[in-house]
Amino acid sequence: GEKVEQHESTLSVREGDSAVINCTYTDTASSYFPWYKQEAGKSLHFVIDIRSNVDRKQSQRLIVLLDKKAKRFSLHITATQPEDSAIYFCAADTGNYKYVFGAGTRLKVIA
Amino acid sequence: ETAVFQTPNYHVTQVGNEVSFNCKQTLGHDTMYWYKQDSKKLLKIMFSYNNKQLIVNETVPRRFSPQSSDKAHLNLRIKSVEPEDSAVYLCASSRQNANTEVFFGKGTRLTVV
Repeated sequence: GEKVEQHESTLSVREGDSAVINCTYTDTASSYFPWYKQEAGKSLHFVIDIRSNVDRKQSQRLIVLLDKKAKRFSLHITATQPEDSAIYFCAADTGNYKYVFGAGTRLKVIA
Repeated sequence: ETAVFQTPNYHVTQVGNEVSFNCKQTLGHDTMYWYKQDSKKLLKIMFSYNNKQLIVNETVPRRFSPQSSDKAHLNLRIKSVEPEDSAVYLCASSRQNANTEVFFGKGTRLTVV
């Protein structure tokens, strides 16, 4: 079955810098890659996604890149702010009603 | 505001007891899920239901059983809990088609003593 590896377990950046979180997946059938944010004591909140028919998507300060050949996707957060501090999860979906999540990246934005 | 509602927020129980968690979504979605998040924040799918039908049942111990009365409700029962069941159980929902955003509830934190 699908396996998703999230490469950075923790990441610290200075406010205003960019943060990059990288994930790789194993199943070439995966076609949907969402990202979720979990703030302390809260549940998961959708932030952005990308489908396999594109290789780049941007929503305000968030950019997702997808490299299907390398089976790799990444989340770029530009101009980071303290409120970006959270755990970020990547996921892959092969279209069979189950996400496979990465292990999470704890992002800390230092003011 | 519509959302995914879970009760209880917390539950502490002894080994061997039975527990039930409730989940209701008011988003009009056809698909509901249960995920388990352990103490290291690892998330794993347990069950997926589409229009009250079980469509995904991961390798979950038989003491776990989902129950769906209609497509807006998906409860989770655990018979005879064990210490390794201590975790946060997250209910979620999405529209019927796959490859779509999933909305999560706030979770039920289970502690087995």
